[in-house]
Amino acid sequence: AQSVSQHNHHVILSEAASLELGCNYSYGGTVNLFWYVQYPGQHLQLLLKYFSGDPLVKGIKGFEAEFIKSKFSFNLRKPSVQWSDTAEYFCAATRSGAGSYQLTFGKGTKLSVIP
Amino acid sequence: DTEVTQTPKHLVMGMTNKKSLKCEQHMGHRAMYWYKQKAKKPPELMFVYSYEKLSINESVPSRFSPECPNSSLLNLHLHALQPEDSALYLCASSQGGGADYGYTFGSGTRLTVV
Repeated sequence: AQSVSQHNHHVILSEAASLELGCNYSYGGTVNLFWYVQYPGQHLQLLLKYFSGDPLVKGIKGFEAEFIKSKFSFNLRKPSVQWSDTAEYFCAATRSGAGSYQLTFGKGTKLSVIP
Repeated sequence: DTEVTQTPKHLVMGMTNKKSLKCEQHMGHRAMYWYKQKAKKPPELMFVYSYEKLSINESVPSRFSPECPNSSLLNLHLHALQPEDSALYLCASSQGGGADYGYTFGSGTRLTVV
């Protein structure tokens, strides 16, 4: 069965600390991978996505993620977090190819950044 | 226009009411989706419309009835809901009739059933 796992339920960091959120996927075949962010009371926003090519993907707001095929991982990173990064972060995946409607989400990681 | 617009933003309804949620996008996306999100949980897929046809119904109770009048509009008709149906209902759309390029999400309708 297709699944996405996020290892950390809640991460608490001080401002300027570095961030790495783990994401592993279990999919047969080629996958597309995404990270979404949901700020308190707001809707889901796409941070970055990976389809193919360079496994290091840069997104908005200084975030990046690295696709490691051998580890089935797509971890999200940011060198220096800000208080405004406090949010829920969801990793998601879908099978590549036409007709791939099912976007499977991980359970999410809540990030709290302390000023 | 790169948005998915959902109305209303908030809705309170009784268990005997009939109401509808609306979703609109003008990005030319040919797949549209309804998701349900409970607090502190990831979104759960309810329905998928591809090229205005219902493609996926994830075993959703019949008190939820989707409708796709055209390629830009998606409705969710609600009838005889239960308090446990209270949640954030998210609409999303994607290019090309599939999820390959990721979804664009609306801001959601926060539904409370009393």
